[in-house]
Amino acid sequence: QKEVEQNSGPLSVPEGAIASLNCTYSDRGSQSFFWYRQYSGKSPELIMSIYSNGDKEDGRFTAQLNKASQYVSLLIRDSQPSDSATYLCAVIFQGGKLIFGQGTELSVKP
Amino acid sequence: EAGVAQSPRYKIIEKRQSVAFWCNPISGHATLYWYQQILGQGPKLLIQFQNNGVVDDSQLPKDRFSAERLKGVDSTLKIQPAKLEDSAVYLCAYQGRNSYEQYFGPGTRLTVT
Repeated sequence: QKEVEQNSGPLSVPEGAIASLNCTYSDRGSQSFFWYRQYSGKSPELIMSIYSNGDKEDGRFTAQLNKASQYVSLLIRDSQPSDSATYLCAVIFQGGKLIFGQGTELSVKP
Repeated sequence: EAGVAQSPRYKIIEKRQSVAFWCNPISGHATLYWYQQILGQGPKLLIQFQNNGVVDDSQLPKDRFSAERLKGVDSTLKIQPAKLEDSAVYLCAYQGRNSYEQYFGPGTRLTVT
């Protein structure tokens, strides 16, 4: 089992739709979770962090965390073509190391 | 990205040559990381510094990679000799002052031919 696993992409959604990105992780003791956005040829940009079970909203982005299921997701409402990028899930494992998933490529079609 | 400067931005070398990358967390953050990101994968931690000291270098291929952080500010990462599989983007990151969040620099894209 991979330490941090994401949906295999690419994920294609029409403009204005909700994009749902999912991530599971193997360390039951993890407490800190992050979503990064990475445009082609650019470095990862932190867009969301979540530490408690439940939902956290920031504009069009909502991060959802379920520690019992070892599952974290990112919802993007009213998706725009500018949201087209690779989304990386990252989890701090016990010991303090930040582990990344392989990323899910999102394509928003006009 | 504005909080971390990296250079060079691109580098092409032949296998068995040496290369060095430089990172400057402009705001002087205590914790600094080097990651390797191979195309199609997420970043992988190579080394973590806390001020001048190494916290974690368990995934650094020490037979060819070395890193240092003098005076707890700038850092350099060196590869000697380079292999084809070292072709990747090398990212420097710092940790936010009051959180576990990490912020990345623009990266150095290395191509080994």
